[in-house]
Amino acid sequence: AQKVTQAQTEISVVEKEDVTLDCVYETRDTTYYLFWYKQPPSGELVFLIRRNSFDEQNEISGRYSWNFQKSTSSFNFTITASQVVDSAVYFCALSEAENTGNQFYFGTGTSLTVIP
Amino acid sequence: ETGVTQTPRHLVMGMTNKKSLKCEQHLGHNAMYWYKQSAKKPLELMFVYSLEERVENNSVPSRFSPECPNSSHLFLHLHTLQPEDSALYLCASSQEGASTDTQYFGPGTRLTVL
Repeated sequence: AQKVTQAQTEISVVEKEDVTLDCVYETRDTTYYLFWYKQPPSGELVFLIRRNSFDEQNEISGRYSWNFQKSTSSFNFTITASQVVDSAVYFCALSEAENTGNQFYFGTGTSLTVIP
Repeated sequence: ETGVTQTPRHLVMGMTNKKSLKCEQHLGHNAMYWYKQSAKKPLELMFVYSLEERVENNSVPSRFSPECPNSSHLFLHLHTLQPEDSALYLCASSQEGASTDTQYFGPGTRLTVL
């Protein structure tokens, strides 16, 4: 079973619109970490955020915000006032503290296109 | 130079060739990783090295052979590859080898096997 599900394969928005990228995860661990990465066309995965399972506070960083809800096992990512430079593939990932295999579980990614 | 670098950025090889991918991290990290990224599939972890010792090998075919001579360098030696091995190969590093460490990625090597 997929541990991280990103149901939205592709999203297109017009510049300045807000967009939310969904991420649903599955784990039995009580201690785990969630991540978001951005992969622009150049290929490099750029780290955006890391949250641990004990911190459910929402986080805002500029135009980016993250909504972590343990009750629904979701860690959604919102871009406010989107820009063309936000066009990329975004990956959500999960790591489990009790996992001795150094495994990051990545979703299949959401491709975001921001149209000027 | 900063971050994680990978060379070459693009590689085309025949099935009988031998080539190597190189990764270098300038972050002072102790763990390094190789991932394979194929279209429409989640990233697949291939190998993990922590303090130059291999700690994970996710059932990767022997035609892929990693080498970690020191904590800053990681290689992936390729030989007798198959066309289905064509993918983006990403290198990453983290402070330690713990599963919960943030991993920082390089730009990848786009490999095409003819």
